[in-house]
Amino acid sequence: EVQLVQSGAEVKKPGESLKISCKGSGYSFTNYWIAWVRQMPGKGLEWMGIIYPGDSDTRYSPSFQGQVTISADKSISTAFLQWSSLKASDTAIYYCARHVISTRPPDYWGQGTLVTVSS
Amino acid sequence: QSVLTQPPSVSAAPGQKVTISCSGSSSNIGNNYVSWYQQLPGTAPKLLIYDNNKRPSGIPDRFSGSKSGTSATLGITGLQTGDEADYYCGTWDGSLSAGIFGGGTKLTVL
Repeated sequence: EVQLVQSGAEVKKPGESLKISCKGSGYSFTNYWIAWVRQMPGKGLEWMGIIYPGDSDTRYSPSFQGQVTISADKSISTAFLQWSSLKASDTAIYYCARHVISTRPPDYWGQGTLVTVSS
Repeated sequence: QSVLTQPPSVSAAPGQKVTISCSGSSSNIGNNYVSWYQQLPGTAPKLLIYDNNKRPSGIPDRFSGSKSGTSATLGITGLQTGDEADYYCGTWDGSLSAGIFGGGTKLTVL
């Protein structure tokens, strides 16, 4: 069974750094892309970027380029999304999702990680 | 403002049929596959339709998808109260070199 299990909810202050994770299982982690998707409170889905864990090829949506860093550690079948300096506007649920092919929409989704940034 | 346009809401009675549209352009829907997702309150999105009109195993045939030109449509027949959710279309945009989603449509089963 394909599963994407994400790390737990986080509460941070503006300016702090953060790294959240997404662990894949039930499939060959290095042969599929992992994307990150943001959902701000009460809003829709926004595709942030994607990584191929096999060779760490990474692409970002223009809206998120320079705002976050996507990485992966294939030895532990885990992808990461990180911020160096959080803002209140980063408050959202972040989902990881698997792509079979980078240019096709995702199939399996993680359960989501709620990130709250508040002073 | 999403690149893909969906109606904010649709509604229908139990047992009836509803369609949800997703309008795009040649840089996205016109030249790429479309998927549809169901997001029940407080849960992660779930794949309903992929490659425009295919259903993953376990998805009932009450759900169907189609694509024509730069638009796609999700159809749901035999509506049930459990179908109340937000529905999103998704595809790739070649001009942005990024994945994109519609703004979402809230389905109410009256």
